Amino acid sequence: DQQVKQNSPSLSVQEGRISILNCDYTNSMFDYFLWYKKYPAEGPTFLISISSIKDKNEDGRFTVFLNKSAKHLSLHIVPSQPGDSAVYFCAATNAGGTSYGKLTFGQGTILTVHP
Amino acid sequence: DTGVSQDPRHKITKRGQNVTFRCDPISEHNRLYWYRQTLGQGPEFLTYFQNEAQLEKSRLLSDRFSAERPKGSFSTLEIQRTEQGDSAMYLCASSLVQNQETQYFGPGTRLLVL
Repeated sequence: DQQVKQNSPSLSVQEGRISILNCDYTNSMFDYFLWYKKYPAEGPTFLISISSIKDKNEDGRFTVFLNKSAKHLSLHIVPSQPGDSAVYFCAATNAGGTSYGKLTFGQGTILTVHP
Repeated sequence: DTGVSQDPRHKITKRGQNVTFRCDPISEHNRLYWYRQTLGQGPEFLTYFQNEAQLEKSRLLSDRFSAERPKGSFSTLEIQRTEQGDSAMYLCASSLVQNQETQYFGPGTRLLVL
């Protein structure tokens, strides 16, 4: 069962515009969410995270929004740059549980930012 | 470079052979994780260590898989009697206990079983 889902396999955006990547989860025990970015031939790199006690977290051009009632989160990149082209993974964990630190990942979304 | 390193980066083996992968975490990190990633999927949790203790194993980790972290530093993941279905990218990550959700990944070992 896919507890974290990224339903868009790919997204193409023009440089300077907003990129919005979406993620849905089904496990109501998840209370901490992360976004990772992955370039080819490299491991995933931590990008930004959000706790379930918040509905928004911002770091420079990256903002993550969390809608707990809908079990949905999104990553906004503004403005998008060609160097943002990568695979983006959404991940979730239960910070209050015994498996804290065990991350459950979505399938990933390939973002392409065109100059 | 003081990031997470993995060796080898690529491994091609024949079905039935044993393979061993090594992971060297960031030196001050006491948590070490192994994940497996197949094509078109995100990383899937396999197991993790806190220092030398293996605290959790996924049901994905069959009896043919064994992981060790003998001195709480580097870790090895061994697959015995490899099968074609074991072909995947094996990722290692490390973190501090007090910030365990922020995990730093190595570049991975890509395994191809023929």
